[in-house]
Amino acid sequence: DTGVSQDPRHKITKRGQNVTFRCDPISEHNRLYWYRQTLGQGPEFLTYFQNEAQLEKSRLLSDRFSAERPKGSFSTLEIQRTEQGDSAMYLCASSLPRGQGIVEAFFGQGTRLTVV
Amino acid sequence: AQTVTQSQPEMSVQEAETVTLSCTYDTSESDYYLFWYKQPPSRQMILVIRQEAYKQQNATENRFSVNFQKAAKSFSLKISDSQLGDAAMYFCAYRNRDDKIIFGKGTRLHILP
Repeated sequence: DTGVSQDPRHKITKRGQNVTFRCDPISEHNRLYWYRQTLGQGPEFLTYFQNEAQLEKSRLLSDRFSAERPKGSFSTLEIQRTEQGDSAMYLCASSLPRGQGIVEAFFGQGTRLTVV
Repeated sequence: AQTVTQSQPEMSVQEAETVTLSCTYDTSESDYYLFWYKQPPSRQMILVIRQEAYKQQNATENRFSVNFQKAAKSFSLKISDSQLGDAAMYFCAYRNRDDKIIFGKGTRLHILP
């Protein structure tokens, strides 16, 4: 297994455009997490999934953000009508559920979004 | 809701010396996991060490060890024999009973040669 994969690594978009990011988790991991990280700050929780079910979405997240994991494998994060404040690193992580051994989350390399 | 607090935005330590990074958390749960992650500049987040809340024994991984004080809700990371490669952002993280994982704001660690 090659670990958690995110695509694209970098995205530059104009304000008002929609963007979509993809995350491929480690294959046997049924937990998948999305975080947003700005420079020098910690990862801010956005949402997470158990298989295809979205368990929680941050109340800080506007309705412009949506995430899916349609078949319980890869996930997509879409941002509609991007704003300059959306510029950040978007991190994806995956993990096994409790009781199945390894409890930590494994991270991808992130997608860096720049809104101009 | 659970919270994780790292009160030291930046720290510096001389190479080969020991440094301790602080983390406190707030929860009403009794069964949870705590982690320290390392994020080198422009690189991927990687796990440093994990601690199960039901274990009283502090976790140790080579030069890295924790001081887990469950009653005080404190989880500090000690790095012994600091090396230049230890320079990074360090994040404390909490995994709750529903498997949600939240992070602190981080501590930037500088290693002085």
